Amino acid sequence: GEDVEQSLFLSVREGDSSVINCTYTDSSSTYLYWYKQEPGAGLQLLTYIFSNMDMKQDQRLTVLLNKKDKHLSLRIADTQTGDSAIYFCAERSPGSARQLTFGSGTQLTVLP
Amino acid sequence: EADIYQTPRYLVIGTGKKITLECSQTMGHDKMYWYQQDPGMELHLIHYSYGVNSTEKGDLSSESTVSRIRTEHFPLTLESARPSHTSQYLCASSDPGSYNEQFFGPGTRLTVL
Repeated sequence: GEDVEQSLFLSVREGDSSVINCTYTDSSSTYLYWYKQEPGAGLQLLTYIFSNMDMKQDQRLTVLLNKKDKHLSLRIADTQTGDSAIYFCAERSPGSARQLTFGSGTQLTVLP
Repeated sequence: EADIYQTPRYLVIGTGKKITLECSQTMGHDKMYWYQQDPGMELHLIHYSYGVNSTEKGDLSSESTVSRIRTEHFPLTLESARPSHTSQYLCASSDPGSYNEQFFGPGTRLTVL
């Protein structure tokens, strides 16, 4: 079955880069996503990557996809205190009725 | 900005009460979802719908029920709330024609005493 795993916590200093990692099991995944959840709010899509891509960059965000190892990462450059939030990795599997499988989320804390 | 709304944002009620959590979207999306989010952050899909009069149970068994009489509206009902139902409930919708981005509402935090 599908499974998406993330580490639960990450702390970084303001101005440093953050790297949040995710592994997934379904090799037929077509899209992989990163969502951000701020306190008391719903999830907001940050970025996504199609499965035939290795990398996608969007301003301070860089997504790396290693299909062989089924590993996805999100790098945030020049991390700011406003980046403190929970980050969810998700995959889309074509055959799944649920369509998206979410990881457990990584709590990013940015220290001043 | 996503046009998906949930009410109430916060609800504190006593055991045994019947409650309905409202979710509405103005984007014309056919697919809608309800997630329950643990205090430890993990999201669990409890219901989904592919369109009017279509509802399915998700991965996590839930005593709640849903209905989809109109495209824009996907309410969730608990007939008799219990403390074990205390959680954050998130509603989402998606457009199958896109890269399947799910748009989320702000959530309802339910506390059952």
